Amino acid sequence: EAGVTQFPSHSVIEKGQTVTLRCDPISGHDNLYWYRRVMGKEIKFLLHFVKESKQDESGMPNNRFLAERTGGTYSTLKVQPAELEDSGVYFCASSQGGGRGGTEAFFGQGTRLTVV
Amino acid sequence: AQSVTQLDSQVPVFEEAPVELRCNYSSSVSVYLFWYVQYPNQGLQLLLKYLSGSTLVESINGFEAEFNKSQTSFHLRKPSVHISDTAEYFCAVTNTGFQKLVFGTGTRLLVSP
Repeated sequence: EAGVTQFPSHSVIEKGQTVTLRCDPISGHDNLYWYRRVMGKEIKFLLHFVKESKQDESGMPNNRFLAERTGGTYSTLKVQPAELEDSGVYFCASSQGGGRGGTEAFFGQGTRLTVV
Repeated sequence: AQSVTQLDSQVPVFEEAPVELRCNYSSSVSVYLFWYVQYPNQGLQLLLKYLSGSTLVESINGFEAEFNKSQTSFHLRKPSVHISDTAEYFCAVTNTGFQKLVFGTGTRLLVSP
């Protein structure tokens, strides 16, 4: 069974450009999470989908970030326009279960975003 | 609100020596606790977890952690480390509704021969 996959693994963009990160969760997992680690600090929660609905988006830093999960399968996280402080590693995770978040979260390898 | 503190950013240790990575948490509600590991150039992997029952939990590769409610700790230990244990270790907490994980800042374990 395939794990959580993220594309691209690395992305280098200029300030002001747009970048879209993609996450394919484990098949059948209703819960999908985005997290971010900036400059060696703690891994911080961004948002949580249950199927196609946003359950919790309290961690989204500002309106330059837009997450979608059309059809309840894969998810995209768009940053537009990107700023220098958006650099970091973006992790996606998925878990089984219903609206309460399921159980063990399985993580992808992350996308390393560098804004120059 | 919940928080996790990992006081040691880096722990150097010689191969076959014992190691303890410290984790303390703060929460006003009941929690589940996790240790995740990130090996070089890989994603996060679950190492072990405490949900309920025995306060001592073990991983398949010899690590163990003990949930101590009175001290709000979940320290990770291994009696004899290997070179291959070199990685970054993250302690995390979630409420019993399995919502978002709250992570510590990570501890980099450096095992040398």
